[in-house]
Amino acid sequence: DADVTQTPRNRITKTGKRIMLECSQTKGHDRMYWYRQDPGLGLRLIYYSFDVKDINKGEISDGYSVSRQAQAKFSLSLESAIPNQTALYFCATSDRGQGIRNEQFFGPGTRLTVL
Amino acid sequence: SQKIEQNSEALNIQEGKTATLTCNYTNYSPAYLQWYRQDPGRGPVFLLLIRENEKEKRKERLKVTFDTTLKQSLFHITASQPADSATYLCALDTRGAGSYQLTFGKGTKLSVIP
Repeated sequence: DADVTQTPRNRITKTGKRIMLECSQTKGHDRMYWYRQDPGLGLRLIYYSFDVKDINKGEISDGYSVSRQAQAKFSLSLESAIPNQTALYFCATSDRGQGIRNEQFFGPGTRLTVL
Repeated sequence: SQKIEQNSEALNIQEGKTATLTCNYTNYSPAYLQWYRQDPGRGPVFLLLIRENEKEKRKERLKVTFDTTLKQSLFHITASQPADSATYLCALDTRGAGSYQLTFGKGTKLSVIP
């Protein structure tokens, strides 16, 4: 079984709809991250969480919100989706026990299309 | 502003040759630098980490160098194979800013031609 799972894997929605992307991990890591990837722009950090009560904005948090329901679950919401949020979204985890190493483990991604 | 640049968007190389990918950065003082591999439609996979006080790191056919004076890392794949074809991302720790975040370069797409 995959250590970091994302649901759904693909989603097509319409402008203005509320969308939730979910991430679950079985690695026991305390840190979780949401990124989006766009052609030509690379991976950009949306939000990150170092534990259940610690949520932080990343580089591009506008239009997004997150919820850390448990150590193993981190959800990303688009309150009112717009076409320029069409992208590939990745969840990642890392282990505080690694110290400065901070190797990140990525999920398989969710391809989101907003029409 | 802080920048990470991977100099080539795409690199084509003949099988068996050494591929060299470049990552340059400005206005950072990273404690370490990481390299990831990403295959189409999949999440990045960690390959190597090199710390600021290390000049070189090796893992099988992979070699990474880190020059903090030049603010540059080189990633080498020796005896390249078609299976090495993928996009390679460098990532910097921004721990100096007080958080355990990684900032990624845009990647270099490597194609190894048989």
